[in-house]
Amino acid sequence: DAKTTQPPSMDCAEGRAANLPCNHSTISGNEYVYWYRQIHSQGPQYIIHGLKNNETNEMASLIITEDRKSSTLILPHATLRDTAVYYCIVRVVVGTDKLIFGTGTRLQVFP
Amino acid sequence: DSGVTQTPKHLITATGQRVTLRCSPRSGDLSVYWYQQSLDQGLQFLIQYYNGEERAKGNILERFSAQQFPDLHSELNLSSLELGDSALYFCASSPRYNSPLHFGNGTRLTVT
Repeated sequence: DAKTTQPPSMDCAEGRAANLPCNHSTISGNEYVYWYRQIHSQGPQYIIHGLKNNETNEMASLIITEDRKSSTLILPHATLRDTAVYYCIVRVVVGTDKLIFGTGTRLQVFP
Repeated sequence: DSGVTQTPKHLITATGQRVTLRCSPRSGDLSVYWYQQSLDQGLQFLIQYYNGEERAKGNILERFSAQQFPDLHSELNLSSLELGDSALYFCASSPRYNSPLHFGNGTRLTVT
């Protein structure tokens, strides 16, 4: 079962920052938080991941709370092409490193 | 482009038939993962291979099987197909443990 909770949907105006929250209160100390997105029916696209420090790359920033029970994905300047389903995943690291997807957040960016 | 190639892109077949889906991972990636995405189930993990050996199994039906070959490509075999097997099937690969998975664009299977 997925170990994360995300809002089912969010809206964001084009050009504004999109902040997508995720709760993972049962996360273990060695489990990473991963974010993926899926545009239409394309394959899921890797965005970013982190363990306990905040992370930034060319796509997004990941803010993880100090207790690691929640995180926020930030798309700094959302565009229409960022409209997608965003998945927050706590990655299993014992025995297998498979990703278990939940239901995600459907982000709609509007003009 | 993720570098993961899946063929065919679309497949239409009848109930009771058998099909094979193929996945070529990114160059150098040793792990291959298979996922199924149907409208009512979301993305479901099926099976993982690492360097030719099965690493983990998820909700994979007994009618389904997979293997990873010495050249690291993988095949997912689906037999005795049912209408409910209609779905998108995604393959992903990663180079090593706990590194990001990169997904192909999937094979859309329609069982009529």
